[in-house]
Amino acid sequence: ETGVTQSPTHLIKTRGQQVTLRCSSQSGHNTVSWYQQALGQGPQFIFQYYREEENGRGNFPPRFSGLQFPNYSSELNVNALELDDSALYLCASSRAGTGTAKNIQYFGAGTRLSVL
Amino acid sequence: EDQVTQSPEALRLQEGESSSLNCSYTVSGLRGLFWYRQDPGKGPEFLFTLYSAGEEKEKERLKATLTKKESFLHITAPKPEDSATYLCAVQASRTSGGGADGLTFGKGTHLIIQP
Repeated sequence: ETGVTQSPTHLIKTRGQQVTLRCSSQSGHNTVSWYQQALGQGPQFIFQYYREEENGRGNFPPRFSGLQFPNYSSELNVNALELDDSALYLCASSRAGTGTAKNIQYFGAGTRLSVL
Repeated sequence: EDQVTQSPEALRLQEGESSSLNCSYTVSGLRGLFWYRQDPGKGPEFLFTLYSAGEEKEKERLKATLTKKESFLHITAPKPEDSATYLCAVQASRTSGGGADGLTFGKGTHLIIQP
């Protein structure tokens, strides 16, 4: 069983640029959530995708957008990058369905984004 | 708005010295409370999930408990490899017609176990 994988590991961008981060779900999982973790803080929920549609969003502006593909992998896109977007971006996958196991989100190692 | 507060922010213990980490929460209907461990530069690693007050779960030197207002992560006779940041998160019950299963995290407790 493969875990959640994210790419790239690290990324450096300039203010105003656009960035795409990628995530492959754990085998058997059909739901993907994205989080932003600033240094010294807990992860903050950006949005979640289920059945290729956005299933809910945290307090993030529209320049944060995403996609989920038929194989349940996902992308996070951030437009017009700002200095405050520098953070660790985490992807988590889970399995929607019956039973309590569906609530458990398993995280990837993250993508470290630096905006200069 | 859902809120999670963890204390202490940092904790330094000697190897073998037991202690507890606290997670206080407010949520509009608890669907689940989660404990994760995070090592530097890595993603959170799932430890436990608790669903109702009175529930307890145990794994090696760790034991998680849950009340209606807080959760504790008890660490018994810790070893240096238990050093990490421990994150607590809550998931609210979905309201009808929508809602997301996003987790609300606390800032974490940075635990250091000295040999």
